[in-house]
Amino acid sequence: QLQLQESGPGLVKPSETLSLTCIVSGGSISSSSYYWGWIRQPPGKGLDWIGNIYYSGNTYYNPSLKSRVTISVDTSKNQFSLKLSSVTAADTAVYYCARVSPPLFKYDSSGYWDYWGQGTLVTVSS
Amino acid sequence: ETVMTQSPGTLSVSPGERATLSCRASQSVSSNLAWYQQRPGQAPRLLIYGASTRATGIPARFSGSGSGTEFTLTISSLQSEDFAVYSCQQYNNWPQTFGQGTKVEIK
Repeated sequence: QLQLQESGPGLVKPSETLSLTCIVSGGSISSSSYYWGWIRQPPGKGLDWIGNIYYSGNTYYNPSLKSRVTISVDTSKNQFSLKLSSVTAADTAVYYCARVSPPLFKYDSSGYWDYWGQGTLVTVSS
Repeated sequence: ETVMTQSPGTLSVSPGERATLSCRASQSVSSNLAWYQQRPGQAPRLLIYGASTRATGIPARFSGSGSGTEFTLTISSLQSEDFAVYSCQQYNNWPQTFGQGTKVEIK
């Protein structure tokens, strides 16, 4: 059974960089069939896509966050990571990592999210 | 970007009754639409993908329909564990986007 687990600080100061890691177990992050990505959910609000990565290192970012986001992958450790710079209170959210299953003939990393981590709350506050 | 609008915002239903949730896209998303269930304090759970295909392990009381811009999630007979928030997601147009969610509560 595939499992994903987020880890990282639960509190980040304004203007600093949020860093999270997602460890994948029960399956290989190097599978050519899937992408891996991050989604966040501000308190009481809907889901917001942050970005995806392929095992090769190709990245795909939401244009609304692109200037502040970096996603990387470490296939040797079967994990991928998120960095979000210059955070503000608006970045306070539960952050989820998940696996993306793309439909056939779609190569922009979009797809449905079939396995999720439990989520981790990150609060931006001084 | 493609805006996904879900209605109603809250649906009050009695156990055993049928629930019908709507999701509308601001432009066509073909059949590249998924539905998720989210219980309080939990991660979203994939219910439906490709507009109408149930994900592994999802009970048959959940069904999805529609294509283009209009989609429906139907829960045929609500069980206690089905009271949750349901979100739709389109993955046809860049960037992928989610609806704001419909909360299904006990009447």
